[in-house]
This record gives sequence, structure tokens and C-alpha cells, in this order.
Amino acid sequence: KAGVTQTPRYLIKTRGQQVTLSCSPISGHRSVSWYQQTPGQGLQFLFEYFSETQRNKGNFPGRFSGRQFSNSRSEMNVSTLELGDSALYLCASSWTTSGTRSNEQFFGPGTRLTVL
Amino acid sequence: SQQGEEDPQALSIQEGENATMNCSYKTSINNLQWYRQNSGRGLVHLILIRSNEREKHSGRLRVTLDTSKKSSSLLITASRAADTASYFCATDVYKAAGNKLTFGGGTRVLVKP
Repeated sequence: KAGVTQTPRYLIKTRGQQVTLSCSPISGHRSVSWYQQTPGQGLQFLFEYFSETQRNKGNFPGRFSGRQFSNSRSEMNVSTLELGDSALYLCASSWTTSGTRSNEQFFGPGTRLTVL
Repeated sequence: SQQGEEDPQALSIQEGENATMNCSYKTSINNLQWYRQNSGRGLVHLILIRSNEREKHSGRLRVTLDTSKKSSSLLITASRAADTASYFCATDVYKAAGNKLTFGGGTRVLVKP
């Protein structure tokens, strides 16, 4: 099976712009989660999507949003970029049903976003 | 503040030695997971241990969980240069379904050949 893929791998934007990152989960996985990793704050949970619905959400401002498509692929969007949004954005997929607790997550290689 | 805190923050050992790192957390958990990350790349899942389990093994890895002390440890035996990476514990505290992991700050492990 192919692993989790993320595109693009690297991105450079300027303050005020918006950006869309894409994630394709492992075939059969219906849960997709997003995490932000920075040297200062470490790994932080952004949100999780399951069956095209946001199921869980972290403590990030509304500038961070996401969506999931019927084929389980997911996108996250960051509007009005700030310097502090520079980070490695990681996507993870997992096998889960609607009622199960967390299982092991399979991570993609990440998208490194630099905001200038 | 983070749910998980890892100790030590960095560890340097010789190939063949054992490496032990600890993770402490603050609230009750459903499960605790350990991940490895090489050089700022994606994370690789190592072991998941549920709150009713005390110990799990996977190859050269051994994880313990003490819910009374709210702590876990990861032991890597007979370390190899390829084990050089950052290791993170992640806890699931959410009461409802789904995935919402809270990660610790990580332990950077350097295995010298």
C-alpha cells in the first residue's frame, strides 16, 4: 500500500497570503488528522476529519481550516499568513470507525511552509 | 502547556548500548503512543499501549506504562546508528471517538558508531 502523501513538500509565501496544503491518506483510511510542528511549540494538533466531517479540533485560530473529500483526501487552508505560521505541517491517517478511539496514525513526510 | 513531558531532552550513547527515555503526563489517558522522527521528517509509529496495559514489546523496543504515576518509558535495546532520531510520546485523553493526540516535547537520541 502506498503511504500518506502530502503536497507540496516545500512552500514559501509572504505575510498576508493564503495557502492550501493537500494530503492523500492510505487507501481505506477514513480519518485524516493535521498537526503543526514548530521548534518553539512542538507538535500541536490542528484538526481531524472523518467521513468529510471535522470530528476534532485543536486550539488554533479560525484562519486555519480544512476539509475532507469523499475519497478521504484532505486539504488544509491557512488564510492571512503570519510569520509565526512557518512550520512543518504533518498529515496523518488512521483506520478508525465512527465510534472507536484513537489508533496508530501513519504520517506523511510533511509540508514545510516558510512565511516571509 | 503540553500534556506529555519527556526526559531527558537529549541522549547520546554508543552503538550497542541501551537507551531509555521517559514520558510523564498530567491527565487520565485512553492510550499512549510512541513515535520516531528522523531529521524533521514525518513521524513513524512505534508502539501503542492502552491504559489497561502495563508493558508491550516490539522487536528491540519495550514500553512500560504506570498509570498511577502517569508515566511511561521507552527502552531501545542494543541501539544502532540508525536509531538516531527524535522520539515522542503522544497521549490520547479525549473522551469521545476519534484521534486527538497530544505530543510531548521529544527526546533527541544520538547513537554514535
